[in-house]
Amino acid sequence: AQSVAQPEDQVNVAEGNPLTVKCTYSVSGNPYLFWYVQYPNRGLQFLLKYITGDNLVKGSYGFEAEFNKSQTSFHLKKPSALVSDSALYFCAVRDWALTGGGNKLTFGTGTQLKVEL
Amino acid sequence: KAGVTQTPRYLIKTRGQQVTLSCSPISGHRSVSWYQQTPGQGLQFLFEYFSETQRNKGNFPGRFSGRQFSNSRSEMNVSTLELGDSALYLCASSPGTSGGTGELFFGEGSRLTVL
Repeated sequence: AQSVAQPEDQVNVAEGNPLTVKCTYSVSGNPYLFWYVQYPNRGLQFLLKYITGDNLVKGSYGFEAEFNKSQTSFHLKKPSALVSDSALYFCAVRDWALTGGGNKLTFGTGTQLKVEL
Repeated sequence: KAGVTQTPRYLIKTRGQQVTLSCSPISGHRSVSWYQQTPGQGLQFLFEYFSETQRNKGNFPGRFSGRQFSNSRSEMNVSTLELGDSALYLCASSPGTSGGTGELFFGEGSRLTVL
């Protein structure tokens, strides 16, 4: 079964500093990997995805993610954090072990990002 | 293009009651998935519907059910509510074709509180 792990429950960073939110994955076959962000009492918003191609993926709001096959990692990064980036971030992987070609995503436990002045 | 719409946004029920939540997907999307989000269990997959058929199902008891209509709108129902059913229920839509990349588009969620 596909799975992702987010080893940090919370990440604190000062505004203007670079940020990294970590994610490692376990899949059989080629991974389809995603990052989503959730603000309080809201749904999940798509940030970016890795399907194939360049290992550095650029997404919304200045975020990017680096796919590393040898380390089975897909870390989310941003060069300069903003207070408004404070939110809950989820890494996810498409679950290929489905019948009928389904679109199920398996999510990590989430990492709370706190950006302080 | 309008996003995924979920209704109601907030609701309060008592134990033993039942609840129906509604989801209207993005126009043209044929797949609708439902997820339950709780602080303790995180995001858990409930089920996915595609072209009015349940395509996949998570590990939830039979009290949780759903359906999809010919216009791709979906409803989920929870019967005999328990305190542990209190959660944010998220609906997500996607084009649903097997050749797709699996990206899901989420609604704002329905916050259910069971007293």
